[in-house]
Amino acid sequence: QKEVEQNSGPLSVPEGAIASLNCTYSDRGSQSFFWYRQYSGKSPELIMFIYSNGDKEDGRFTAQLNKASQYVSLLIRDSQPSDSATYLCAVRATNAGKSTFGDGTTLTVKP
Amino acid sequence: GAGVSQSPRYKVAKRGQDVALRCDPISGHVSLFWYQQALGQGPEFLTYFQNEAQLDKSGLPSDRFFAERPEGSVSTLKIQRTQQEDSAVYLCASSLAQRNTGELFFGEGSRLTVL
Repeated sequence: QKEVEQNSGPLSVPEGAIASLNCTYSDRGSQSFFWYRQYSGKSPELIMFIYSNGDKEDGRFTAQLNKASQYVSLLIRDSQPSDSATYLCAVRATNAGKSTFGDGTTLTVKP
Repeated sequence: GAGVSQSPRYKVAKRGQDVALRCDPISGHVSLFWYQQALGQGPEFLTYFQNEAQLDKSGLPSDRFFAERPEGSVSTLKIQRTQQEDSAVYLCASSLAQRNTGELFFGEGSRLTVL
């Protein structure tokens, strides 16, 4: 079992819909949680980070964290074709050091 | 430049050759990470530096892999006697400080193909 699990997809949503991406992690000591977006052939770029239980909103993006369930999600509202990419969930155990990535969920937003 | 710079962008090596991949992090970034990304998978951690100190090398897959950052800036990942399973994109990322948000800034990667 991988330390960070994501549904590989592909997840397909129509333009304007809400896309929901999910991630579970195994290390209960994890402190920091990240969502990166990776376009095909490009490197990952950070979208959101969250440390505390609950929701964190930034524009069209909302990250949700539930440490008791070891679950983190990303909601994308008003999805656009430009959101089509692979979304990587990453978890960091301490305040320093490595982040561990899931294998990503591929999202396609259809016009 | 303003971002993380990696070279070469593409490298083709014959099995058994040695390769060296270079990473120039964002100026002032203390932490530097190397990741390996195979096709269709997420980045896999290889090693981590804070300044010139290699604090974690637990992800290096074998003793053929070696990384250094002698002056706390530019880093080199060296792979000796390359094998076909080493074919992947090698991503370098830097981060501002040890105790920070943890945001990683990635370079564009070095794609290694071993024939």
